[in-house]
Amino acid sequence: DQQVKQNSPSLSVQEGRISILNCDYTNSMFDYFLWYKKYPAEGPTFLISISSIKDKNEDGRFTVFLNKSAKHLSLHIVPSQPGDSAVYFCAASVIKGTYKYIFGTGTRLKVLA
Amino acid sequence: NAGVTQTPKFQVLKTGQSMTLQCAQDMNHNSMYWYRQDPGMGLRLIYYSASEGTTDKGEVPNGYNVSRLNKREFSLRLESAAPSQTSVYFCASIDLMTSSYEQYFGPGTRLTVT
Repeated sequence: DQQVKQNSPSLSVQEGRISILNCDYTNSMFDYFLWYKKYPAEGPTFLISISSIKDKNEDGRFTVFLNKSAKHLSLHIVPSQPGDSAVYFCAASVIKGTYKYIFGTGTRLKVLA
Repeated sequence: NAGVTQTPKFQVLKTGQSMTLQCAQDMNHNSMYWYRQDPGMGLRLIYYSASEGTTDKGEVPNGYNVSRLNKREFSLRLESAAPSQTSVYFCASIDLMTSSYEQYFGPGTRLTVT
């Protein structure tokens, strides 16, 4: 039972355009959501997060949107840069409960110069 | 600050051999985690330790044991390695006492079981 799903294994975007990465979840108890970026042969690094009491969080070029009714979150990168090429994982947690994080399967983003 | 360190970086085992993956963090974090990453499967939680002295199973604990040696160190042991345990293993830590809930990951250990 995949509680966190990233249905697009890969995405290609032109440099300077917007990248939109999507994530769906099934557990309505999740109260915190995060996005991580991973380069080959490195560990994931934190990118941006959002609490379930918000619907948007912005940090520079990165914005995360949360639609609780649809159980959907998305990561927008504007403008996309070649250095953004990486695998992006979304993760969800019941922060005040289990302290466990459930990760999606990842989306490989390629930004074309 | 080294952050989260993992040893070894690479390891090849024969089926049935045992080994321990080491993880240490120098950020005074309370909670530590072990994940495995397989192609098309994302990161799956093996075991975690919410605080020193406690450990709990994650999504895929079978075939593994863990030890929270002290606040800094959290080791993962494979008692009898199987080819299905070929994977990249990541350790992570977090300070759940703060309002910032992001995990910090180590660089990973690439394990091959033949």
